[in-house]
Amino acid sequence: EIVLTQSPATLSLSPGERATLSCRASQTVSSYLAWYQQKPGQAPRLLIYDASKRATGIPARFSGSGSGTDFTLAISSLEPEDFAVYYCQQRIDWPLTFGPGTSVDL
Amino acid sequence: EVQLVESGGGLVQPGGSLRLSCSASGFTFSGHSMSWVRQAPGKGPEWVAYISSGSTTTFYADSVKGRFTISRDNVKRSLYLHMNSLRSDDSAVYFCARGLTIPTRYLDSWGQGTLVTVSS
Repeated sequence: EIVLTQSPATLSLSPGERATLSCRASQTVSSYLAWYQQKPGQAPRLLIYDASKRATGIPARFSGSGSGTDFTLAISSLEPEDFAVYYCQQRIDWPLTFGPGTSVDL
Repeated sequence: EVQLVESGGGLVQPGGSLRLSCSASGFTFSGHSMSWVRQAPGKGPEWVAYISSGSTTTFYADSVKGRFTISRDNVKRSLYLHMNSLRSDDSAVYFCARGLTIPTRYLDSWGQGTLVTVSS
């Protein structure tokens, strides 16, 4: 199975700062990678799919880039509601797999 | 508004069985693939099973293959997960999730989850 690793495990930032999160795949996933946001007690929410396409209703401050094995999620200017855990997920092959997550902390 | 509501979770002994249900509303259920995803406390999500919109194709995680069965009833707008031979490491919150129309293997709407605890 394709293993996804995320770095850093924790990112400590303040509102207004830029966040850059990384996801690396154990083998190429082409551009078939998504990013999700999860807040405590809630289900994950799809932010980005196919590496760079924003899902419906996702603000423009969220952007994704990358292809092959290396991907980045950027949040241009953190809002208070953006402090959460972020997961990447690949869809190129079964089983679908998620990364271990990056916690963006205040 | 898209709504997915899971039910059927609870406490079950090791080796036991459970059936989870997910009731869908607010969208054309028969037009979307569906998946079950679970999440153990403090862990990331783990995809469990997938079913295509017309039930013709299913896929399973190796950890549940042969023990879990995903199914759906498009008339009743419901998704199911039949779980047999449950083990302690199956304990988690189980989410049902809708696949994007195209491409299908991203999950764009999720339920609130139902907790499954496997313990004696």
